[in-house]
Amino acid sequence: DQQVKQNSPSLSVQEGRISILNCDYTNSMFDYFLWYKKYPAEGPTFLISISSIKDKNEDGRFTVFLNKSAKHLSLHIVPSQPGDSAVYFCAASPQGGSEKLVFGKGMKLTVNP
Amino acid sequence: DTGVSQDPRHKITKRGQNVTFRCDPISEHNRLYWYRQTLGQGPEFLTYFQNEAQLEKSRLLSDRFSAERPKGSFSTLEIQRTEQGDSAMYLCASSPTGTGGTAFFGQGTRLTVV
Repeated sequence: DQQVKQNSPSLSVQEGRISILNCDYTNSMFDYFLWYKKYPAEGPTFLISISSIKDKNEDGRFTVFLNKSAKHLSLHIVPSQPGDSAVYFCAASPQGGSEKLVFGKGMKLTVNP
Repeated sequence: DTGVSQDPRHKITKRGQNVTFRCDPISEHNRLYWYRQTLGQGPEFLTYFQNEAQLEKSRLLSDRFSAERPKGSFSTLEIQRTEQGDSAMYLCASSPTGTGGTAFFGQGTRLTVV
C-alpha cells in the first residue's frame, strides 16, 4: 500500500510562474513531512520540511503547506527557475524511533525558459 | 567533510555473485540509513543504524542482504547470491538524531545484475 502518494507524474511550467506540487498521505502517525529534489545521477537533496503541528513553512522561494484534515501537503515554488527542473519527492517520517522516510513515487518538474 | 560518500558508483555483476557496497556518512551523524530505489519509484527503506547498532530492518531486506556499521562510522551493505530483481539504485543517508527525518543522501550505487 502506498502511504505517500504523488498522483501527478509530471508538471511543466514557464519560468517565473508558480509551480505547485501536491502530495497525499494515508498514515495519521506521520510526524514530519519533507520534500526532496533529485537530479539525474545524483542522490536526493533535502529541500524543505514541515512538522505536523504546523500548517506552513517557508524558505526563500519554497513554501510547504500542510492540511492535516485532508492529509494533503503541497510545495509551492515562486518564482520557478529553469534550475528547478528535477524530480521532486514527497516524504514522510513517523513519530519517534528511526525517523525513516516513506517516499512517494516522485514528480518530474520541468521549468521552461 | 563533503557529505555522504558511496562506493562504488556503479556495479555490474553476474547473477549468483556476491556484492558489497560501502557508505561513509557525514562524520558527526550518528544515524545511517540504507534505501533502495527502482525505476519509477521513490526510495524504499531497507535498514537503519544508530551508531553501530542496527535497530530496524525492512521486510524488503531478505536473508541474502546484510548490513554492518562497525564502530559506528562507515557502513557496508552486502548482497549474497544476487538476483536480477536486486538491480536498483542503493542509496545511503545519514542524519543527526531528532531532526524529524531530515537525512542527507549520498549519490548512490547503481547495481545491475546480468
